[in-house]
Amino acid sequence: DQQVKQNSPSLSVQEGRISILNCDYTNSMFDYFLWYKKYPAEGPTFLISISSIKDKNEDGRFTVFLNKSAKHLSLHIVPSQPGDSAVYFCAASVDSNYQLIWGAGTKLIIKP
Amino acid sequence: DAMVIQNPRYQVTQFGKPVTLSCSQTLNHNVMYWYQQKSSQAPKLLFHYYDKDFNNEADTPDNFQSRRPNTSFCFLDIRSPGLGDAAMYLCATSTPRAEQFFGPGTRLTVL
Repeated sequence: DQQVKQNSPSLSVQEGRISILNCDYTNSMFDYFLWYKKYPAEGPTFLISISSIKDKNEDGRFTVFLNKSAKHLSLHIVPSQPGDSAVYFCAASVDSNYQLIWGAGTKLIIKP
Repeated sequence: DAMVIQNPRYQVTQFGKPVTLSCSQTLNHNVMYWYQQKSSQAPKLLFHYYDKDFNNEADTPDNFQSRRPNTSFCFLDIRSPGLGDAAMYLCATSTPRAEQFFGPGTRLTVL
C-alpha cells in the first residue's frame, strides 16, 4: 500500500515556464513533507520542506503547497531551467519518527 | 565541504564474494541510514541507526548487515552478493526534522 504517491512518472516543460510536480498521500498522520531532487549517479539532494501547520513554503524559484484536506502537495518551479532536469521525489514523515516514506519519483525534463 | 562521504563510489564484486561499503559524516547527526536504490525508483530503506540503536527493516534480507562503530562512521556489509543486489547504495544522515542528507552513493556491480 503506497502511502505517498507520485502519479506522473515523467513531466516535460519548456524552459522558462512553470513546472508543477504533484504528490498525494494517504496517511493523515504525516506532518512533515519534503522534496528531493536526484541527478543520475548521485544521491538525492534535499530541496524544500513543509510542515503540516503551513500551507505554503517558498525558497527562491521553488514553492511547495500543501492541501491537507485533499492530502495533496505540489512543488512549483518558476521559471524552469535546464539544470532542473532531474528526478524529483516527494517524501513524508510522522513527527518523532525519523523514517521517510518516499514516493516513486517524477522525472522532470526541461526542454530548451 | 563534503558532509556525507561514501567510499568507494564504484564497487565491483563477484557473485557470492563479501563486500563492505563505508560511509562517514561530518554533520554529527545522531541518525544514519542505509538505502538501496535501483534505477530511478524510490530509495528503499535497509537500516537506520538512532545513535547506536539499530533498526532493521522487516524486508531487509539477512544477507545485509550493518555496523556503526561511532557517530561518524557506518558500514554496510553484504555477505554474499547476488546479481539482484546490484544497485546504488546510499548513506544518509538526518536532522531532528527528518531532513535527510545523502552521500553520493556507491554503485555496486555484481559479476
